[in-house]
Amino acid sequence: DAGVIQSPRHEVTEMGQEVTLRCKPISGHNSLFWYRQTMMRGLELLIYFNNNVPIDDSGMPEDRFSAKMPNASFSTLKIQPSEPRDSAVYFCASSRRGQGDEKLFFGSGTQLSVL
Amino acid sequence: AQTVTQSQPEMSVQEAETVTLSCTYDTSESNYYLFWYKQPPSRQMILVIRQEAYKQQNATENRFSVNFQKAAKSFSLKISDSQLGDTAMYFCAYNSGGSNYKLTFGKGTLLTVNP
Repeated sequence: DAGVIQSPRHEVTEMGQEVTLRCKPISGHNSLFWYRQTMMRGLELLIYFNNNVPIDDSGMPEDRFSAKMPNASFSTLKIQPSEPRDSAVYFCASSRRGQGDEKLFFGSGTQLSVL
Repeated sequence: AQTVTQSQPEMSVQEAETVTLSCTYDTSESNYYLFWYKQPPSRQMILVIRQEAYKQQNATENRFSVNFQKAAKSFSLKISDSQLGDTAMYFCAYNSGGSNYKLTFGKGTLLTVNP
């Protein structure tokens, strides 16, 4: 099992540029989560997908943020245009919800720096 | 709303000794899940241990064990025979399971293991 795979590991961009973060969940997992981690706010849930369908995007900070899950093995989080306050570590996580296993497995995260 | 409180921002322990990290939570649910996650300098969030509230027996994973006190809403993590590799941020987390998919995290405790 390769675990949750995220890319890129680091992303440095300039304000106003588009940023796309990628995630491959663990095979067989039906739920996918995007989290953001900052020193000030800790870990925040941005969006939750179940069976590829967005269930709750109330944590997405602004319309500049969007997420997609075109199939069970891939998801993207896009920020357009990016701003310095978007600098954070973005985690993708997956789990097998509703199957008696509530464990959440995280990827290694993407460190985003917006200059 | 559920809250998770970790009252110890930082702790330190000598190698080979035992340390206990505290966590309290607030919930009105009767069944739920509690977790400890470890975040080393590599940044990845690693699941350390998981406890289901309806199970009275405390969970154990090798050198890691919990003291789950349901009535007191307390969920402490004990690390025995501390190793240098245990140096990390430790996050306590709560999930009520069922239709609730959100994992609520505490602010974390930075544990340093000294040689």
